[in-house]
Amino acid sequence: GAGVSQSPSNKVTEKGKDVELRCDPISGHTALYWYRQRLGQGLEFLIYFQGNSAPDKSGLPSDRFSAERTGESVSTLTIQRTQQEDSAVYLCASRPGQGDYGYTFGSGTRLTVV
Amino acid sequence: GQSLEQPSEVTAVEGAIVQINCTYQTSGFYGLSWYQQHDGGAPTFLSYNALDGLEETGRFSSFLSRSDSYGYLLLQELQMKDSASYFCAVREPRGANNLFFGTGTRLTVIP
Repeated sequence: GAGVSQSPSNKVTEKGKDVELRCDPISGHTALYWYRQRLGQGLEFLIYFQGNSAPDKSGLPSDRFSAERTGESVSTLTIQRTQQEDSAVYLCASRPGQGDYGYTFGSGTRLTVV
Repeated sequence: GQSLEQPSEVTAVEGAIVQINCTYQTSGFYGLSWYQQHDGGAPTFLSYNALDGLEETGRFSSFLSRSDSYGYLLLQELQMKDSASYFCAVREPRGANNLFFGTGTRLTVIP
């Protein structure tokens, strides 16, 4: 597609439930990132995928968080047993390959845990 | 570890020039990037500096001084639509592959 697409755009869930967030990167972009942004805060790195290499999971805050990506296509971020502290906007970004700039972000999924 | 410092808020008048500063501390340096984010929107890439000096893109310019661990984003001929948050970002040291973002500067442009 023309841009990075994320779904759903908004998600309200009850504490303790699992949620799955989806990201469709730009076609041909080998690198894909997930970030979390709490209200009024900066972007917090969660996980990075590059092609078929093992993902960099160093930013995942707990074992309740996991993510998958099949090849160079769609990625899903799963949060198990959600907590109120998980409420944030989850942003996905992709870029063509190695490099320090030019990330294209999606509009994010706003997650609210009640 | 990484740290980035930016002013939290800046207010400027339409048509004026504004400079948003960013100082950084990193264990390795691979360039400074700037992103713009409107409320409720996606961050969008503005500019990137790997070497010292000024990079100009239309009304926006970005400057880097590696010896001072300092950079800034310069916005000229401010427009109301420039009201947004602006983030500087550095790449994590070699071996990691993500951008580390500052907490952002909220720019408000007033008439």
